[in-house]
Amino acid sequence: EVKLQQSGDELVRPGASVKISCKASGYTFTSYSMHWVKQRPGQGLEWIGAIIPIIDTTEYNQKFKGKATLTADKSSNTANMELSRLTSEDSAVYYCARGGIAAIFDYWGQGVMVTVSS
Amino acid sequence: DTVLTQSPALAVSPGERVTISCRASESVSTLMHWYQQKPGQQPTLLIYLASNLESGVPARFSGSGSGTDFTLTIDPVEADDTATYYCQQSWNDPLTFGSGTKLEIK
Repeated sequence: EVKLQQSGDELVRPGASVKISCKASGYTFTSYSMHWVKQRPGQGLEWIGAIIPIIDTTEYNQKFKGKATLTADKSSNTANMELSRLTSEDSAVYYCARGGIAAIFDYWGQGVMVTVSS
Repeated sequence: DTVLTQSPALAVSPGERVTISCRASESVSTLMHWYQQKPGQQPTLLIYLASNLESGVPARFSGSGSGTDFTLTIDPVEADDTATYYCQQSWNDPLTFGSGTKLEIK
């Protein structure tokens, strides 16, 4: 069974950074890309970027360059996203999603709520 | 960026047929996919590559279209289909989602 288990919700101060993780199981981690998607409260979905673990290549939505940094640890089948210089605009739920052929998101993590507040 | 336009909301009765549209600002070929998101849950894949039913998804769901105009059809609608439906294109960079169509079952 494919599963993407994300880390817990975060409360962080403005200006700080946060790193959230997505542990994959039930499939070969290096055979798929891993994507990250942002959803602000009551809003739609926004693609942040993706990492291809087998070659450690990343691709970002221009909007999130400098904001998000994607990494992957092949030894633990875990994808990570670090968000820096957080503001209230970064308060959202962040999902990881497995990317199949043609960037079809066939499995999603349960989401991590990041709240930026002093 | 490729803008995907969806109608914001629809309300239908159980047993009826509903079509949810998604119009792209430029061609996305057939690289259009549909997701269902219920309140408090992550999205789940329904349809990929415009018209292919994801494994495990009821055959009541179907998709069609190519280029700039796409449709998700649910026939017949059931009470459990209450959710927001998103289209997503993967032809153009960056990947983009529609703003979602909230489906209410009367």
